[in-house]
Amino acid sequence: DVKVTQSSRYLVKRTGEKVFLECVQDMDHENMFWYRQDPGLGLRLIYFSYDVKMKEKGDIPEGYSVSREKKERFSLILESASTNQTSMYLCASVAGHNYEQYFGPGTRLTVT
Amino acid sequence: AQKVTQAQTEISVVEKEDVTLDCVYETRDTTYYLFWYKQPPSGELVFLIRRNSFDEQNEISGRYSWNFQKSTSSFNFTITASQVVDSAVYFCALSDAPGGGADGLTFGKGTHLIIQP
Repeated sequence: DVKVTQSSRYLVKRTGEKVFLECVQDMDHENMFWYRQDPGLGLRLIYFSYDVKMKEKGDIPEGYSVSREKKERFSLILESASTNQTSMYLCASVAGHNYEQYFGPGTRLTVT
Repeated sequence: AQKVTQAQTEISVVEKEDVTLDCVYETRDTTYYLFWYKQPPSGELVFLIRRNSFDEQNEISGRYSWNFQKSTSSFNFTITASQVVDSAVYFCALSDAPGGGADGLTFGKGTHLIIQP
């Protein structure tokens, strides 16, 4: 089975802290995605990556950056966390354009 | 630009009732793919179905069925004889590629389905 794991299920950080959210997939997938989920807004794409060291902005990249140094790992970075970044963050990966996306369990981040 | 509308924010029904979740989409692509995902309280999105724009046949999988109508740009999801375990948030999504494409999926805002015993 495809496995997408995220480093933390729950995370509490303070305003201004640098935050790393890690996502790892074990199926050698090419594409990886970071989404943010907020009540009433659904899921919105933050960044995606289609190869190592490659990244593309999604719909809401402001305040975030990403890193993909290895194929299996895709990190989301909040350079200086703010309270409006309190949200559920979901990572997904897909083998290629012709396959469905698999999602991780999500990280619920609270910024105080 | 693509858009997915799930007008029902929350639906509550009693167990064993049938329930339909609505999904209306907008896209300029002639080839596109529609998805339904289930998000139980545990949080992980579970893939339910993918349909491409050239296949308008209805799909049935056990108690689940999907009605795709290009004429009304709708891809509705029906649960027959609902069960408490069906309680979840359900998302409809759209993409220009089967795997969500290079740009990811465009999601609706989700419908919270509550099945009461």
